[in-house]
Amino acid sequence: GENVEQHPSTLSVQEGDSAVIKCTYSDSASNYFPWYKQELGKRPQLIIDIRSNVGEKKDQRIAVTLNKTAKHFSLHITETQPEDSAVYFCAAPPNSGYSTLTFGKGTMLLVSP
Amino acid sequence: DVKVTQSSRYLVKRTGEKVFLECVQDMDHENMFWYRQDPGLGLRLIYFSYDVKMKEKGDIPEGYSVSREKKERFSLILESASTNQTSMYLCASSEVAEQYFGPGTRLTVT
Repeated sequence: GENVEQHPSTLSVQEGDSAVIKCTYSDSASNYFPWYKQELGKRPQLIIDIRSNVGEKKDQRIAVTLNKTAKHFSLHITETQPEDSAVYFCAAPPNSGYSTLTFGKGTMLLVSP
Repeated sequence: DVKVTQSSRYLVKRTGEKVFLECVQDMDHENMFWYRQDPGLGLRLIYFSYDVKMKEKGDIPEGYSVSREKKERFSLILESASTNQTSMYLCASSEVAEQYFGPGTRLTVT
């Protein structure tokens, strides 16, 4: 099955700095890579995703990059704000479908004012 | 707006009890999932379902079973609860790719 590795497990930044979280996956057939954000005490929610036919996708202060050759993808958050503090999960499907996802172990991001 | 609800936010059960966790979604989604979330281990898939009366094992199905009698409802069953099943349980549903999560049930087995 799919194996998703996520680093770092914790990340502390100052407000206004950039944050980068990296994930690697094992199944070369995987073609969909979402990122979920889970604020303290709340449910995970999708914040951005990328499909294998593009190398980068941006949505305001967040972006995701994908390197299919190296089988890794990254989440970039610019101009971080305290409300970005949360646990972030990357995920990938175990094959070329979309229905099930294997999640990384999560990165706790702490943005200090 | 997709709504996924779970029957309880907090649950305390004794070792050996049979435990039912229920999940309901209101968006007519085909796919439903049960995960458990533990610190440092992320979200691990227990079981999923593509259709009514259909179920597939995820990565950690041991000690669990599921039931999907109606499209909108997916139940997780712990036949005989054990202390190592103390965890946060999250239900999710999806139509294609994006998964929508419920609020979670924090289960404590004593």
